[in-house]
Amino acid sequence: AQSVTQLDSQVPVFEEAPVELRCNYSSSVSVYLFWYVQYPNQGLQLLLKYLSGSTLVKGINGFEAEFNKSQTSFHLRKPSVHISDTAEYFCAVRYSSASKIIFGSGTRLSIRP
Amino acid sequence: NAGVTQTPKFQVLKTGQSMTLQCAQDMNHNSMYWYRQDPGMGLRLIYYSASEGTTDKGEVPNGYNVSRLNKREFSLRLESAAPSQTSVYFCASSQGLTGETQYFGPGTRLLVL
Repeated sequence: AQSVTQLDSQVPVFEEAPVELRCNYSSSVSVYLFWYVQYPNQGLQLLLKYLSGSTLVKGINGFEAEFNKSQTSFHLRKPSVHISDTAEYFCAVRYSSASKIIFGSGTRLSIRP
Repeated sequence: NAGVTQTPKFQVLKTGQSMTLQCAQDMNHNSMYWYRQDPGMGLRLIYYSASEGTTDKGEVPNGYNVSRLNKREFSLRLESAAPSQTSVYFCASSQGLTGETQYFGPGTRLLVL
């Protein structure tokens, strides 16, 4: 079955530390991959997406993600987090054979001063 | 541009009551979506409309109906609300289905007693 997994429901980190949020999807020939962020009491907004081309994708607010086809992963990274990055992060995948996007269960990133 | 707007922001219903959640977008997008967000479950697709005049079921359509009134508006109706429908509902839109960024509204918080 087509699915996307975010293994970490919560990730606490200290301010200015690096962070990696993990995302894995079930194997497929062709996928489109997304990371969305949801700040408290708001809707989701796009951080970055991978459609094709370079496997390293850069997004807004200093985030980047790397598409790894052999490991079916699309992990999100930031070298130094700020308090303002406190939010919930959702990985999403659209399989080329499907018309719908599937969202992961989300990872809550909490930043400690 | 207002983007995607949703009304109401909050609603409390009694079991068995009906209501319609309204969604409108001013980006001339072809595709629109309704999701529900529950703790630990991410976003689940209820219904979507690939283009004006078409609607399709998503992952959790039971208990809901939708209407794509025109290109701008996509409403979600609960005919007989149940406590299991207590959730936060998000409307989203995108230019198309393939690899397109989805733009989300601010959400409607629904409590069914």
